[in-house]
Amino acid sequence: GQNIDQPTEMTATEGAIVQINCTYQTSGFNGLFWYQQHAGEAPTFLSYNVLDGLEEKGRFSSFLSRSKGYSYLLLKELQMKDSASYLCAVRERNNNDMRFGAGTRLTVKP
Amino acid sequence: DAGVTQSPTHLIKTRGQQVTLRCSPKSGHDTVSWYQQALGQGPQFIFQYYEEEERQRGNFPDRFSGHQFPNYSSELNVNALLLGDSALYLCASSLDVGRDSYNEQFFGPGTRLTVL
Repeated sequence: GQNIDQPTEMTATEGAIVQINCTYQTSGFNGLFWYQQHAGEAPTFLSYNVLDGLEEKGRFSSFLSRSKGYSYLLLKELQMKDSASYLCAVRERNNNDMRFGAGTRLTVKP
Repeated sequence: DAGVTQSPTHLIKTRGQQVTLRCSPKSGHDTVSWYQQALGQGPQFIFQYYEEEERQRGNFPDRFSGHQFPNYSSELNVNALLLGDSALYLCASSLDVGRDSYNEQFFGPGTRLTVL
């Protein structure tokens, strides 16, 4: 199996930058995903990393280091609507499922 | 394009009862995965259906079963409900492109199941 660890809660200020970390253990890595989930809603896809490095998509960027079993999601120019849970998920080789961490609940304050 | 739809939205059952949840995948998708999400936790993989067969299963008891129909829609059945089965049940659909590649999974809004 695999452990996926991320902080439970984070707080940041509107307009600032926040980095949400995720560490994982896996027997055969085949991709890491970040999802955003607002309270009471379905998760929505943010990013996918399978190779080392940084993937940038507008205000959101995701980084992966496979050798360290580490990823982070970087959110820039925070807006109030970014208050949500951010889920890190890992896909294993020869598996078709994603295994999720417990999520990081981000609160953006004015 | 309607996206992934699930029914019902909410459901209340009592212990020992059985429940069936339904999912229609996004147009063009052929793979359906089911997840259980307890309050304050991340989604936990239950199983995945492809070509009307269960292709992979997570760590859930046999009380959890499913089905996929020729039109790719899917059902999740839970027998002998326990209080601990209370959760948000999410359905996600995707287009199969093989294990060496990836196509985004789109989640439905979920069914909130409460077991009393």
